[in-house]
Amino acid sequence: SQQGEEDPQALSIQEGENATMNCSYKTSINNLQWYRQNSGRGLVHLILIRSNEREKHSGRLRVTLDTSKKSSSLLITASRAADTASYFCATVPYGGATNKLIFGTGTLLAVQP
Amino acid sequence: GAVVSQHPSWVICKSGTSVKIECRSLDFQATTMFWYRQFPKQSLMLMATSNEGSKATYEQGVEKDKFLINHASLTLSTLTVTSAHPEDSSFYICSARPGFEAFFGQGTRLTVV
Repeated sequence: SQQGEEDPQALSIQEGENATMNCSYKTSINNLQWYRQNSGRGLVHLILIRSNEREKHSGRLRVTLDTSKKSSSLLITASRAADTASYFCATVPYGGATNKLIFGTGTLLAVQP
Repeated sequence: GAVVSQHPSWVICKSGTSVKIECRSLDFQATTMFWYRQFPKQSLMLMATSNEGSKATYEQGVEKDKFLINHASLTLSTLTVTSAHPEDSSFYICSARPGFEAFFGQGTRLTVV
């Protein structure tokens, strides 16, 4: 099952521009995480934001969380060609028995040099 | 961070044969591991939760007899695709979560011909 939907599905920007991706989810959560996947590879954890947090920063990444709207956004500032990848939000549904991660539909980001 | 190793990274098999994929946690013990399936340009779909020493928990719609999961030790979970058919061709990824963050294997590209 999928918990989240992301938009846009695909995003193409120039190097140096900012990229914003949005994620909406369906149920109450303990936390929300963002992951990155290079083509044909495994996923790499980027950042986690807890349900009682509203904003978090890590390097060029900024994540916001609005639990009332069940939505989150990931902002990548000053993008680089190496940021080209798919980005997924993932949630741990509140009260989930197995602590499993459920992924959103993903955003494919292409950064043109 | 923690390391999860998945093997093989790719496999081609004939229709009707079985394929085993291994997922190992290299520097931590994992009582629970997760198996995902990913179609091209799509998100990760959770297939099952692998539990050390007990039966796996399968997501709705996933055939237990088709996708056999064994978690015999605290560092190894295996997924066996039995009697594989071309529609089973996909990218399979395992993960483990020693904490909040999930660590992923490199993924296995299965092609059934």
